[in-house]
Amino acid sequence: DAGVIQSPRHEVTEMGQEVTLRCKPISGHDYLFWYRQTMMRGLELLIYFNNNVPIDDSGMPEDRFSAKMPNASFSTLKIQPSEPRDSAVYFCASRPGLPGTDTQYFGPGTRLTVL
Amino acid sequence: AQSVTQPDIHITVSEGASLELRCNYSYGATPYLFWYVQSPGQGLQLLLKYFSGDTLVQGIKGFEAEFKRSQSSFNLRKPSVHWSDAAEYFCAVETGGFKTIFGAGTRLFVKA
Repeated sequence: DAGVIQSPRHEVTEMGQEVTLRCKPISGHDYLFWYRQTMMRGLELLIYFNNNVPIDDSGMPEDRFSAKMPNASFSTLKIQPSEPRDSAVYFCASRPGLPGTDTQYFGPGTRLTVL
Repeated sequence: AQSVTQPDIHITVSEGASLELRCNYSYGATPYLFWYVQSPGQGLQLLLKYFSGDTLVQGIKGFEAEFKRSQSSFNLRKPSVHWSDAAEYFCAVETGGFKTIFGAGTRLFVKA
């Protein structure tokens, strides 16, 4: 298995532009998570999906952030408009089952820089 | 409130020396506990996990961790560190549902 795939690996954009991050989870995994990692706040859960349905988006910082999962093999995290404080590494992770039965598998991350 | 504390921001050990990274958690019920490692520019890789049963768990790369309920701790150990172990290590607690709380991380430096 190729693992969780994220694209792009690096993104540099200017303030005000729209940014779309992409994730392909491991086949057969029912849960998908989006995290953000910064020096100041560490790793934060933004949103997670179960069977393509958003379950908890309480970690999404504000309305500029949105996430979709149109099918079991693809998810996007969109920031519009982007701001310099959105600069971070964004990770996607997937897992096959319930807590206590398995764990999450992380993608390599997308390093976002907003100028 | 649920939390994970890794008291050491960074640790330096000599190659071949033993290692212990500390982790304390705050959670009312029996937690699911994890240690992850992150190399520069990489995602998080699972080292080991504790769900139930034997409180001493073995992981990959020669790491082990011990769950101590009375101390709310889940310290990571390795008897002999290799230069390739230099990375950042995260302790994590999975609480009710799918919320995983990560510690701030401990960066390990290995000197020759």
